Amino acid sequence: AQKVTQAQTEISVVEKEDVTLDCVYETRDTTYYLFWYKQPPSGELVFLIRRNSFDEQNEISGRYSWNFQKSTSSFNFTITASQVVDSAVYFCALSEDNNAGNMLTFGGGTRLMVKP
Amino acid sequence: DVKVTQSSRYLVKRTGEKVFLECVQDMDHENMFWYRQDPGLGLRLIYFSYDVKMKEKGDIPEGYSVSREKKERFSLILESASTNQTSMYLCASSLWATNEKLFFGSGTQLSVL
Repeated sequence: AQKVTQAQTEISVVEKEDVTLDCVYETRDTTYYLFWYKQPPSGELVFLIRRNSFDEQNEISGRYSWNFQKSTSSFNFTITASQVVDSAVYFCALSEDNNAGNMLTFGGGTRLMVKP
Repeated sequence: DVKVTQSSRYLVKRTGEKVFLECVQDMDHENMFWYRQDPGLGLRLIYFSYDVKMKEKGDIPEGYSVSREKKERFSLILESASTNQTSMYLCASSLWATNEKLFFGSGTQLSVL
């Protein structure tokens, strides 16, 4: 069975600090997909990234970067030079390839608070 | 812009009431989902639908049912609301059932008193 663990329930940083959100997953499949979503105070989850299990290249998008390491079953998310607008709950999620219908398993979420 | 709309942002109901949560998407997506979000537990899938009149149980279907009579609309039904169903309910949709990204609504915070 698939499982996603986000050990950090809440993180508080001061603006301009770098912050890393951890995500550890469990799966028996060799083909799977990992996601990060952002949930701002408005409530609507917003897709940030999808990574398949065969692509271990790290990805950078502006101030956001993702570090995928199959050896440690981790898919960590780093925000560089954090801003107040980054304050949100962030979810890591996993989908196995043999799942019908996008059955994502979500982690418990990490609430990030960025203080001015 | 793609849009998933949930009919109510906040809802207060009494124990034993029948509750309908409505969700509409304007993207012609095949798949629609209902999740429940509770602190520390993340999102848990209640039901999903991959076609009109089709439905599949998710991880926590007990106490819920769904209806999809039209492609754009997916309803979640609480037959007899209970206090342990107080939660945030999120609707989502996706184009195909191949691990594509989900588009979410803003959620309905349901309180059952």
